[in-house]
Amino acid sequence: EADIYQTPRYLVIGTGKKITLECSQTMGHDKMYWYQQDPGMELHLIHYSYGVNSTEKGDLSSESTVSRIRTEHFPLTLESARPSHTSQYLCASSVGTRTDTQYFGPGTRLTVL
Amino acid sequence: KNEVEQSPQNLTAQEGEFITINCSYSVGISALHWLQQHPGGGIVSLFMLSSGKKKHGRLIATINIQEKHSSLHITASHPRDSAVYICAVNNDMRFGAGTRLTVKP
Repeated sequence: EADIYQTPRYLVIGTGKKITLECSQTMGHDKMYWYQQDPGMELHLIHYSYGVNSTEKGDLSSESTVSRIRTEHFPLTLESARPSHTSQYLCASSVGTRTDTQYFGPGTRLTVL
Repeated sequence: KNEVEQSPQNLTAQEGEFITINCSYSVGISALHWLQQHPGGGIVSLFMLSSGKKKHGRLIATINIQEKHSSLHITASHPRDSAVYICAVNNDMRFGAGTRLTVKP
């Protein structure tokens, strides 16, 4: 059973607000990922991390930022939310090799009004 | 053009039917994942393949590296199998658009 958590599960917020989506895993995994998924559309990788103090941008340009100060924690921040940020955000983690299974969190469904 | 193509996009089956979902990719890969996304949005990793075939319960996944093709099979399908099935390749995790499966009782 994978132990990866995301909070909040649902968030409705007004334009211009700063928000942080939390992701934590208790498996000691080195690699963590953030994906964005618009309704009915495919997943896109927006950020990933190989370990503490390592962050990289994914294949989809995103206005969000991430940090990795602790192994278990990989928060995603939007400094000024806009309606175009309305989407589902999924966090995942894996042990660390390129072929490892990824374990997904339950997702955060964000709506920006 | 997406580097990972899935077919069909939508699939409706009767309970008990054998189901096949296909995934073709155009890039060199180290591994391919099959994921299941439930209506609530939660994602479960079903298989990670780098060659050959894997089986878990009623699910079977195969991959042909030379042909750059993978298939996910479900035997004796059940309404609880209704979900979106997503193929992803392990090069920075590029995803197919998913196959929406509905199994009717």
